[in-house]
Formats: sequence, C-alpha cells, structure tokens
Amino acid sequence: GAGVSQTPSNKVTEKGKYVELRCDPISGHTALYWYRQSLGQGPEFLIYFQGTGAADDSGLPNDRFFAVRPEGSVSTLKIQRTERGDSAVYLCASRGPLEDTQYFGPGTRLTVL
Amino acid sequence: AQSVAQPEDQVNVAEGNPLTVKCTYSVSGNPYLFWYVQYPNRGLQFLLKYITGDNLVKGSYGFEAEFNKSQTSFHLKKPSALVSDSALYFCAVRDKNSGAGSYQLTFGKGTKLSVIP
Repeated sequence: GAGVSQTPSNKVTEKGKYVELRCDPISGHTALYWYRQSLGQGPEFLIYFQGTGAADDSGLPNDRFFAVRPEGSVSTLKIQRTERGDSAVYLCASRGPLEDTQYFGPGTRLTVL
Repeated sequence: AQSVAQPEDQVNVAEGNPLTVKCTYSVSGNPYLFWYVQYPNRGLQFLLKYITGDNLVKGSYGFEAEFNKSQTSFHLKKPSALVSDSALYFCAVRDKNSGAGSYQLTFGKGTKLSVIP
C-alpha cells in the first residue's frame, strides 16, 4: 500500500518568509509525528497528533512553528518568519492504532537563504 | 529522559564480512528499541524492533539485533555485508511505559556504514 508522502520534496525560501510543509500519512494511521533532522544529526521530535489534536507539542522550538491536522489525516507544519537556522529536513511519520512502529515519509528539505 | 548513543560515526567493512553497528540507550523504564536505515535523499526505512521476548530480533534484508539489558545495548548485526547495505543507520528508543505520552522516538546521531567491494 501507499506509504507516508510529503510535499514538497524541496523548499527554498528567503529569511523572514512563511512556509507550509504537508504530510499525508498512511491510510488509517491515527498517530502522526513531525521530526526535524539537521545535517549530521538524528531526527528530533517536534510534535505528535492523535487524531485531530496536537497531543504533544513539546518539541516545537518556539512559537514560530505550528502544525495542524484538521480532519485527522493530512497534516501541515507551518513556519513563520523563517530563519537560516530552520534549514533542515522535516520528516513526517505515522503509526497505526495498535502498532509500535512509526513509518516515515521521504522528508521535505527546507533551505532558508 | 531517554537517550541513545551511537559511538561510531562511521563503520567500514569489506563485502562478505560480518558487520556490527553499535547502539547504547538510556530510559527510565523498559525500552522499546528500533533500527532504521536512511539512504541518500530518502526518508527513514524501518529495519527491526525489540519490544519484548527473545533478545535476538530479526529484521529486513538479513539484519538482526541483540538486546542486552545489563549493558543497555542494542547492536545491529549482519553475518555477511553487501555493498548495497552502505547507508546511514539510526538507532532509536522510546520508554515502554510512556503513560499518556506521545511515544516519541529519541534517535542517535547515526552511523554511516560503508561496505567496500
């Protein structure tokens, strides 16, 4: 079946601009995660959704970062007033209701000039 | 707090030789442990996991990993390396008893495996 998909695959923006990154999880997966992977590092947790609600947003670095999942499926990560330090690969993962394993999408590479 | 250490940034092994990629972890409770592989410009692909039961778990592509509670380790192994195994490998942990938590994963920094023909 289809895996987790993310769009765009690459996003280049200028400092101060607003960006949206989209994640389409595996069908039927109620849990959705966003992670950020900086160069040479492992992924770091940002936010977790169970259904439509953000159940844990403790990993968001500051209030410029926000995410939504209005219908419990597709999620959008929104970054306001981007900074060069936001440049990273943003990974989305989803997990089935009775599963332990998170399945990752290919990621969106964000470059802030 | 939970953490993962992958002490080797890079591991080089000759094709056909056995390989080991090391991982140690720290959690307050019982761990769930995972290995993922990342090919260039790709996302993370799940390889295997330890939840409970047999300390030796088998996964995709001939990989296996051994859970050692006393040494808090979960090393990834393969009896005979292939050139196509060359990639970045990540170990991850979550606390089994996260309560109402998110079951977020904590990852190591990754180990680059190079299999030399």
